Amino acid sequence: GEDVEQSLFLSVREGDSSVINCTYTDSSSTYLYWYKQEPGAGLQLLTYIFSNMDMKQDQRLTVLLNKKDKHLSLRIADTQTGDSAIYFCAESPGAAGNKLTFGGGTRVLVKP
Amino acid sequence: NAGVTQTPKFQVLKTGQSMTLQCAQDMNHNSMYWYRQDPGMGLRLIYYSASEGTTDKGEVPNGYNVSRLNKREFSLRLESAAPSQTSVYFCASIELRELFFGEGSRLTVL
Repeated sequence: GEDVEQSLFLSVREGDSSVINCTYTDSSSTYLYWYKQEPGAGLQLLTYIFSNMDMKQDQRLTVLLNKKDKHLSLRIADTQTGDSAIYFCAESPGAAGNKLTFGGGTRVLVKP
Repeated sequence: NAGVTQTPKFQVLKTGQSMTLQCAQDMNHNSMYWYRQDPGMGLRLIYYSASEGTTDKGEVPNGYNVSRLNKREFSLRLESAAPSQTSVYFCASIELRELFFGEGSRLTVL
């Protein structure tokens, strides 16, 4: 079945850039997502990218997709303490419906 | 705007007890989902309902049942709770590829 992998933890200094990486196995993935989970809360959609795109930028967030290597990354510019959270990568096959497969999440800790 | 509301937020059960987690959404979404979240394993889909009156198994359905009572409500039932079902449970609904999550229900089975 589908598999989505992420590193467990990332520590970054306030003001630096953060890069969170994700790999997936399903070659039919059509949409790839980044969700953010703050303590005690559900997940919130940050951004998503369609598989025919290489890059998507939204304010401080840049998503890069390497479809050949099945590698997705999320770059957060000028990381703030409010960016401390767990970030989940997810993929869906698109036409087959809206069932998302999530990675295990990367806990990002922003140090002042 | 309430969004997705789950109850209860916390519950402790003994092995073998039963309980139902309730979920309601006020966004008029057709599709609803139940996920469980365990450390380092992300979210795993238990059951989903593509529309009122339909339900389908997800990745980890064993030990659970669901009911899509109407368009708003989607409940998850544990008939005989086991310690392996200790987890945080999230209900979600979807619109235009964005999942909207509830705040979660933390369940501990002793």
